[in-house]
Amino acid sequence: GESVGLHLPTLSVQEGDNSIINCAYSNSASDYFIWYKQESGKGPQFIIDIRSNMDKRQGQRVTVLLNKTVKHLSLQIAATQPGDSAVYFCAEKGSDTGNQFYFGTGTSLTVIP
Amino acid sequence: ETGVTQSPTHLIKTRGQQVTLRCSSQSGHNTVSWYQQALGQGPQFIFQYYREEENGRGNFPPRFSGLQFPNYSSELNVNALELDDSALYLCASSLVSSRREQYFGPGTRLTVT
Repeated sequence: GESVGLHLPTLSVQEGDNSIINCAYSNSASDYFIWYKQESGKGPQFIIDIRSNMDKRQGQRVTVLLNKTVKHLSLQIAATQPGDSAVYFCAEKGSDTGNQFYFGTGTSLTVIP
Repeated sequence: ETGVTQSPTHLIKTRGQQVTLRCSSQSGHNTVSWYQQALGQGPQFIFQYYREEENGRGNFPPRFSGLQFPNYSSELNVNALELDDSALYLCASSLVSSRREQYFGPGTRLTVT
């Protein structure tokens, strides 16, 4: 089966610092990735996506980096704010997995004021 | 807010009972996917509906079934409920079934006693 995992289950950062959340995947056929943010009691919120033909994509305060060689994905959040505290999931879809997204177990980010 | 709505918000059922959960997709989205999220875990894909037909299924037994209606709204039905079915059930809508971002609703919290 698929293995989409996160290196660190919890991460604490000071407000204003940059955060980096990592994700490893095992399916070399994965060609589309999404980062989601999930706050307590809510559904996952789309943050940013990236396709396998790219290695970097930037959004507002967020950057996703994709390293297909080592099957690694990261989410960088600049100037982390208390509102960024949540659980972050990476999800991937492979060309051989139909329409199914596979999610990692999540990293809990806590921003310290 | 994503525009994806789910009902009910919370539900308590007894083992062996049946349950129906509902989802209205974001305007313009014709594809609905259902996920089960156990406490402390990432969402797991149950199935996807596109043009009123099942368009991919994860590793869930047949007692998990669904429907999609002409207006693209969807239902998830679970028969013969088991204690392990207690989870947050999420639906996500997207445009067609290709590699596009999908947007989640707030979820339905199901508790089976």
